[in-house]
Amino acid sequence: NAGVTQTPKFQVLKTGQSMTLQCAQDMNHNSMYWYRQDPGMGLRLIYYSASEGTTDKGEVPNGYNVSRLNKREFSLRLESAAPSQTSVYFCASSLREGRAEAFFGQGTRLTVV
Amino acid sequence: AQSVTQLGSHVSVSEGALVLLRCNYSSSVPPYLFWYVQYPNQGLQLLLKYTSAATLVKGINGFEAEFKKSETSFHLTKPSAHMSDAAEYFCAVQTGGSNYKLTFGKGTLLTVNP
Repeated sequence: NAGVTQTPKFQVLKTGQSMTLQCAQDMNHNSMYWYRQDPGMGLRLIYYSASEGTTDKGEVPNGYNVSRLNKREFSLRLESAAPSQTSVYFCASSLREGRAEAFFGQGTRLTVV
Repeated sequence: AQSVTQLGSHVSVSEGALVLLRCNYSSSVPPYLFWYVQYPNQGLQLLLKYTSAATLVKGINGFEAEFKKSETSFHLTKPSAHMSDAAEYFCAVQTGGSNYKLTFGKGTLLTVNP
């Protein structure tokens, strides 16, 4: 029972490089989310997908793009990485309903140099 | 807009002492509120959630939280801290209408001293 799986777990990028963070869930959830976690800032929502076929901006979407590939997979792309994007990224999923618990992946620690 | 505020970015207690982590919310409608815990180098996992069924909510590992509408609070407590409780704790509120997004507080780091 894998839950939410993120790859890679660690990544170092040079400024200007691009990369895609992958996320997959096996719980048949409708909704998927990408958050970033920075010290003292809590978790801030980057993008979310309330259901397959839809994506919407969250609190901090600049510099990112997303793709909801199918119901299971939701990827986050950095087109031109910047040092300000150094962070820990978490993918999460939930049922699309009130009171629904979100399940989190283990995180991707990204450093941009 | 709905939001949560966690008072105190760092709380330190002795083993066996009461744990009290504070969370206040702002919402124009009865909210769905959550507490999550994050152990070092791990993702977040649910401790407990308030869904309007009962104001006192019991969660895992002996934690509980009480919803107080008059104080707009949802504080997390545990009668006796254990070393294994050392972690970061996040309060969250469900926002976004029918999209049910979670908006998190900034977190409280709990240190437990022997």
